[in-house]
Amino acid sequence: DTAVSQTPKYLVTQMGNDKSIKCEQNLGHDTMYWYKQDSKKFLKIMFSYNNKELIINETVPNRFSPKSPDKAHLNLHINSLELGDSAVYFCASSQENTQYFGPGTRLTVL
Amino acid sequence: QKEVEQDPGPLSVPEGAIVSLNCTYSNSAFQYFMWYRQYSRKGPELLMYTYSSGNKEDGRFTAQVDKSSKYISLFIRDSQPSDSATYLCAMFYNFNKFYFGSGTKLNVKP
Repeated sequence: DTAVSQTPKYLVTQMGNDKSIKCEQNLGHDTMYWYKQDSKKFLKIMFSYNNKELIINETVPNRFSPKSPDKAHLNLHINSLELGDSAVYFCASSQENTQYFGPGTRLTVL
Repeated sequence: QKEVEQDPGPLSVPEGAIVSLNCTYSNSAFQYFMWYRQYSRKGPELLMYTYSSGNKEDGRFTAQVDKSSKYISLFIRDSQPSDSATYLCAMFYNFNKFYFGSGTKLNVKP
């Protein structure tokens, strides 16, 4: 059983398009996250939700909008995609002080 | 100054060598320390987790925390080619926010 899953795994799209990435966790954790990982492997936190409530909102363009329909799901919608949005996006979940990651979504904006 | 500093490497060692990976940090409030292993095109995988100062051993891996020096280490004994990956340190104290190092790329040559 996959603990944290993301779809799609790969996303190739044109500049200006709108796209969504979905995340689900079956660990029963209360907190979920979105991270962006650049080509140098640096993991930058974008958002965090605790039990459907936004608790971390880092300096991210407002073209990025997270949504948590329930505590097991956290989706990321991106409007008007730009070349600089190309990266790997990881979803993660945590309970207390350990965090588990999904397999990532590799987004390429052409 | 970044919260967590990690030498990006790459670090190249022969099979069987002892590997030492390190991170320094600036926030003395950090209490929980983690090491993640990330294979190419995969999500980070939790490898070791320690609380406060001291050592923790798990098979060939030993995690060490020195809070007085704000320094953590991961030692890999008898390194194997399958250990080739990027290793990320992470830290946490509260507010559900994890702080990551930039990762050290390790290559173990057969």
